[in-house]
Amino acid sequence: GQNIDQPTEMTATEGAIVQINCTYQTSGFNGLFWYQQHAGEAPTFLSYNVLDGLEEKGRFSSFLSRSKGYSYLLLKELQMKDSASYLCAALDSNYQLIWGAGTKLIIKP
Amino acid sequence: NAGVTQTPKFRVLKTGQSMTLLCAQDMNHEYMYWYRQDPGMGLRLIHYSVGEGTTAKGEVPDGYNVSRLKKQNFLLGLESAAPSQTSVYFCASRKGQEIGELFFGEGSRLTVL
Repeated sequence: GQNIDQPTEMTATEGAIVQINCTYQTSGFNGLFWYQQHAGEAPTFLSYNVLDGLEEKGRFSSFLSRSKGYSYLLLKELQMKDSASYLCAALDSNYQLIWGAGTKLIIKP
Repeated sequence: NAGVTQTPKFRVLKTGQSMTLLCAQDMNHEYMYWYRQDPGMGLRLIHYSVGEGTTAKGEVPDGYNVSRLKKQNFLLGLESAAPSQTSVYFCASRKGQEIGELFFGEGSRLTVL
């Protein structure tokens, strides 16, 4: 079956760095997405990786290893507004998105 | 820029009532989706459409019907609402099959009593 695993909840301190991991098993693979979702709001796009390696976008970076079925989202210089859920989703061979349950990130002052 | 718009934003229904959620997008996207999101669970796909006049079942289609009569609109219907359908519903769209980024509507919170 197809599966996405990510931690349920993480806590970090304002100004610090946090890494949110995601492992996936899908029928075929056409890329991996990270979305941010604040409480009561819609998910918004953060990043897309299809090739191995690190993609950097400001304070956020996303890494992919296709051979290991593994990705992570790295958030630097954490701000209180980064408190949100982070959703990992893999695009399978039919170009359908398979979603993880999300990681709730709590930022403490 | 409207993007993806869902109506209504909130609705309370009694068991057995019917209702329709409307999703409209102004980006000329081919693909449209209806998801439900429940606490502790990921987004689950209800139905989707790959173009005007087409619909297909997703992961959790039972109890729902959809229609895509116009390219910009995707309707989700509940014929006889059940408490298990209490959820937040998100509509999303994307340009094409190989262009993966989804654009989401703001969500519709449905409560079935």
